[in-house]
Amino acid sequence: ETGVTQTPRHLVMGMTNKKSLKCEQHLGHNAMYWYKQSAKKPLELMFVYNFKEQTENNSVPSRFSPECPNSSHLFLHLHTLQPEDSALYLCASSQIWGPGELFFGEGSRLTVL
Amino acid sequence: KQEVTQIPAALSVPEGENLVLNCSFTDSAIYNLQWFRQDPGKGLTSLLLIQSSQREQTSGRLNASLDKSSGRSTLYIAASQPGDSATYLCAVRPITQGGSEKLVFGKGTKLTVNP
Repeated sequence: ETGVTQTPRHLVMGMTNKKSLKCEQHLGHNAMYWYKQSAKKPLELMFVYNFKEQTENNSVPSRFSPECPNSSHLFLHLHTLQPEDSALYLCASSQIWGPGELFFGEGSRLTVL
Repeated sequence: KQEVTQIPAALSVPEGENLVLNCSFTDSAIYNLQWFRQDPGKGLTSLLLIQSSQREQTSGRLNASLDKSSGRSTLYIAASQPGDSATYLCAVRPITQGGSEKLVFGKGTKLTVNP
């Protein structure tokens, strides 16, 4: 495995379900990110983790709960979502104090019914 | 508040044409600017990263320039091919107190290269 991998690629869930998105990076980076991409809108940063510590929460509703057990893994736990939460969720990683180049995974397409 | 604008929103060109995609940002206080490519339903692929002290970067048929003082960047694609069809996004990393890792993205330019 190389780069940034995300699972699942597609997820359909009801508003009362609990599910999780997983991200793993194989680049030796120490910062990981969750972004949300909705139609017709720019990418929105949701969370940033540096060395497993959350450094940014961009006013994200509590129904989205991130978890970063180590520098290589990042999860996004989903609970009681709304239909407007349907979007492409992208994970990214970078090296802190380096050039700052961001590398993205393929994304998880979430549909909330 | 930093804002990034990409014009045009969509562009259609015949194969072989040289083309320029534009990106503008409102605040010149940036660490760097990054260009990405996104294919439908896929993630973003990093194309070029320009540090604030640099004027341009080149990779193959791609050349990105940065004019920080005027808040502009261009992505030049030479001899376009149908495989270049994708959405191209520009993002800046603002200089903020506390060193935020936040990138600010434009909405992208959707490029179609016709055979």
